[in-house]
Amino acid sequence: KNEVEQSPQNLTAQEGEFITINCSYSVGISALHWLQQHPGGGIVSLFMLSSGKKKHGRLIATINIQEKHSSLHITASHPRDSAVYICAVALSGSARQLTFGSGTQLTVLP
Amino acid sequence: NAGVTQTPKFRVLKTGQSMTLLCAQDMNHEYMYWYRQDPGMGLRLIHYSVGEGTTAKGEVPDGYNVSRLKKQNFLLGLESAAPSQTSVYFCASRDRGYEQYFGPGTRLTVT
Repeated sequence: KNEVEQSPQNLTAQEGEFITINCSYSVGISALHWLQQHPGGGIVSLFMLSSGKKKHGRLIATINIQEKHSSLHITASHPRDSAVYICAVALSGSARQLTFGSGTQLTVLP
Repeated sequence: NAGVTQTPKFRVLKTGQSMTLLCAQDMNHEYMYWYRQDPGMGLRLIHYSVGEGTTAKGEVPDGYNVSRLKKQNFLLGLESAAPSQTSVYFCASRDRGYEQYFGPGTRLTVT
């Protein structure tokens, strides 16, 4: 069993829809990251959180430490949001290596 | 401020050939990481470094070697390439916080 599970693996939405991507993990963590990978391949960090909720524009990330679960929400989705969204957890320890989920491919249709 | 850069962007190798991938960062970060990304799988950690002159094995280190002679550079070497090493390789660096900054990736094909 993977230490980080994401769902769904693939998601197609119509422009304007509210989108939720889920991430569950089974290990103790220092922090959880949400990353975005565009078709060109580059990876950018969207959020890093260890508790509660963070918001940036139309993106919202939440985490429930007790339930070992995080969600990434996109409000008023747009075709430019089409990308792979990756959940990663930072393990405890000085090097804080990341363990990654396999990603969610999001396609937003106009 | 270029962030994290990787050289080369693309490479095709024949089985048994060797090569070195270069990662450079200009943010004075202590921590650097090499990952590989394969279809249907999450990124997996190959090797990492917690400072100049140090290296450590990650999840999938076999067939790779690394060096961190200078703080800004982290080199990943393949001594004898195998088709199983066909992948996209990402380098990342981190300061004392948690956030990692990723390079643009190197697409390697081993035939």
